[in-house]
Amino acid sequence: GDSVTQMEGPVTLSEEAFLTINCTYTATGYPSLFWYVQYPGEGLQLLLKATKADDKGSNKGFEATYRKETTSFHLEKGSVQVSDSAVYFCALSGNNAGNMLTFGGGTRLMVKP
Amino acid sequence: GAVVSQHPSRVICKSGTSVKIECRSLDFQATTMFWYRQFPKQSLMLMATSNEGSKATYEQGVEKDKFLINHASLTLSTLTVASAHPEDSSFYICSARLSGRDRDGYTFGSGTRLTVV
Repeated sequence: GDSVTQMEGPVTLSEEAFLTINCTYTATGYPSLFWYVQYPGEGLQLLLKATKADDKGSNKGFEATYRKETTSFHLEKGSVQVSDSAVYFCALSGNNAGNMLTFGGGTRLMVKP
Repeated sequence: GAVVSQHPSRVICKSGTSVKIECRSLDFQATTMFWYRQFPKQSLMLMATSNEGSKATYEQGVEKDKFLINHASLTLSTLTVASAHPEDSSFYICSARLSGRDRDGYTFGSGTRLTVV
């Protein structure tokens, strides 16, 4: 079945540091790929998405490129802020019945001033 | 944009009581609603998928008699945790697939933190 693997956290960075959170997936066909962010005590918010190979999703300085050859969708940001501290989930929507989302384990990011 | 309103955001209940969580879709029709459970520092695990007017489909290992899902209308889905016990304490989140859009449209409720004492 479909699966998503992302790097375990927590990831601790200083403000303005470069961020990479790795995400790889296993799926049949051509899934859509997502990054969601969860701030403390809140639900999930869509951060960005890509629906086909070589697409780049971007939002709020974050970006991720759909790499079919490496089955990856790594999240990057050039300069993180304290307000980016949250848990980030990589997810895919494949060709399963109902097109439900399959989530990775989540990566907690902590940005220190 | 499409919003799912989830209530309550927090609930503390005594062991043995039942708790109902509601998710309402605002300004759109939620044909399909997904219910997830999230343990501390873990990912979201799909519990069940509900479609309006039909029985929910539960994931393997999820007790359908304990986690009762009702999706009686296109704007309301409910999850009732029957006879809750401390091990049911968790963060529950609903998600709606946006009817009429492409398969990539999902919106999430803000979650309900259930604590059973």
